[in-house]
Amino acid sequence: NAGVTQTPKFRILKIGQSMTLQCAQDMNHNYMYWYRQDPGMGLKLIYYSVGAGITDKGEVPNGYNVSRSTTEDFPLRLELAAPSQTSVYFCASSPGDSPVADTQYFGPGTRLTVL
Amino acid sequence: AQSVTQPDIHITVSEGASLELRCNYSYGATPYLFWYVQSPGQGLQLLLKYFSGDTLVQGIKGFEAEFKRSQSSFNLRKPSVHWSDAAEYFCAVGVYGGATNKLIFGTGTLLAVQP
Repeated sequence: NAGVTQTPKFRILKIGQSMTLQCAQDMNHNYMYWYRQDPGMGLKLIYYSVGAGITDKGEVPNGYNVSRSTTEDFPLRLELAAPSQTSVYFCASSPGDSPVADTQYFGPGTRLTVL
Repeated sequence: AQSVTQPDIHITVSEGASLELRCNYSYGATPYLFWYVQSPGQGLQLLLKYFSGDTLVQGIKGFEAEFKRSQSSFNLRKPSVHWSDAAEYFCAVGVYGGATNKLIFGTGTLLAVQP
C-alpha cells in the first residue's frame, strides 16, 4: 500500500493563478480530508468528503474547491491564489464512518507559496 | 467553545531523559483524544488514542498518555527519549455537533533531543 499520496511536494504560484493539489489513497477509505497547516496554528480543516460524490465544507473553505468522483481521489482546487493561501496542505483519509473517532492517515504534504 | 491547548511550544530534553508533553482540552461531552507525531518533512502519524476505559493508554514507539477528566488533560509521556523522537507532537480532540464533526488540533509542541 502506498497509503495517502500527494502531488506536487512543492509549488510556487503567482497571485491570481490557479492550481490543483492532487491527493489519492489506496486503502479504500470512505472519508477524505484536506487540512492546511500554518506556523504556530495547528491544522485547520478546509474540506472533507464522506464518499464519492459527497463533499462538505470545513472550518476554512473560502478560496478552495473540491470534488470527489472516485473513492481514491480527492483533489483540492485553488482559484485566484492569494498570499494568505501560502501554507502546507495535508490530505488525509480515514476508514469507517466517524471522522471524530477513527484514525486519520496523512499524506506527506504540499508546501505552497503564493507570491 | 471547543479547543485544544498545548502550552509548550518548544521543549528540549536530553537523550535518555523522561518526557511529558502537556495537552488540555475544552469540550462539553466525553472526548475522543489523540496524539499525532509529525517528523520533519512528513505527514502526521497516530501515536495513540483514547475513547473510554482505562485512562492510561499505550501507543507506538514507547509512548503513553493519561486521560484525567478532572483536569481536562491528556498528557503524553515517555520514560526515556531517543534522538529519533525529535519531531512535532500534536494533541487533537474529536468533536461532534455544530457544522462539522471533526478533529480539533492543538498548535503543536516541537521536541528537540540533545545528545
